[in-house]
Amino acid sequence: EDKVVQSPLSLVVHEGDTVTLNCSYEVTNFRSLLWYKQEKKAPTFLFMLTSSGIEKKSGRLSSILDKKELFSILNITATQTGDSAIYLCAVEGSSNFGNEKLTFGTGTRLTIIP
Amino acid sequence: ETGVTQTPRHLVMGMTNKKSLKCEQHLGHNAMYWYKQSAKKPLELMFVYNFKEQTENNSVPSRFSPECPNSSHLFLHLHTLQPEDSALYLCASSQAHFGSTDTQYFGPGTRLTVL
Repeated sequence: EDKVVQSPLSLVVHEGDTVTLNCSYEVTNFRSLLWYKQEKKAPTFLFMLTSSGIEKKSGRLSSILDKKELFSILNITATQTGDSAIYLCAVEGSSNFGNEKLTFGTGTRLTIIP
Repeated sequence: ETGVTQTPRHLVMGMTNKKSLKCEQHLGHNAMYWYKQSAKKPLELMFVYNFKEQTENNSVPSRFSPECPNSSHLFLHLHTLQPEDSALYLCASSQAHFGSTDTQYFGPGTRLTVL
């Protein structure tokens, strides 16, 4: 069965710190890995990663995928209180019959203290 | 069975058919959600139920009709759908939804194809 595991489950840091969130996965026929930020409503999309070793960046956020070791990290530098949220990792794969599947991790709850 | 389950996992229907998607959570949660994940589009929140009451409907067309008979079950009734409704429909549940951020646990989704 496909599995996505995120760590840590929760993290509390001070404003200005740098954080690293982890996502490891076991998925049949990997297609892509997605990171979402979830605040009060629907998760908002951050990154989609399909290739190993290529860093994606958006402002203070960056992410990289390692398809050999089956994990991804999400880095946030110079954290701000607005970064407080649950960060979800999801992995898209397909069954051996070609059916697409999307599996979510349970998220990392990040709290930034002013 | 544990977690959030969805049935069927795959569904192909014609535009004149009526079908229902089912979601069940075994986590003791009080809030349940329907999301739509279309190809190359962000995840879209459709409906939120809190303690069986619908608290959000994000301008979803009436051809999608949700039903929440109890805190553990959520249905999405479909009728006269359009081909552009083809997508992955995800169900999620959380402890509650009172404006705070509770971790949502997602089901595996139903892959819907409308012909």
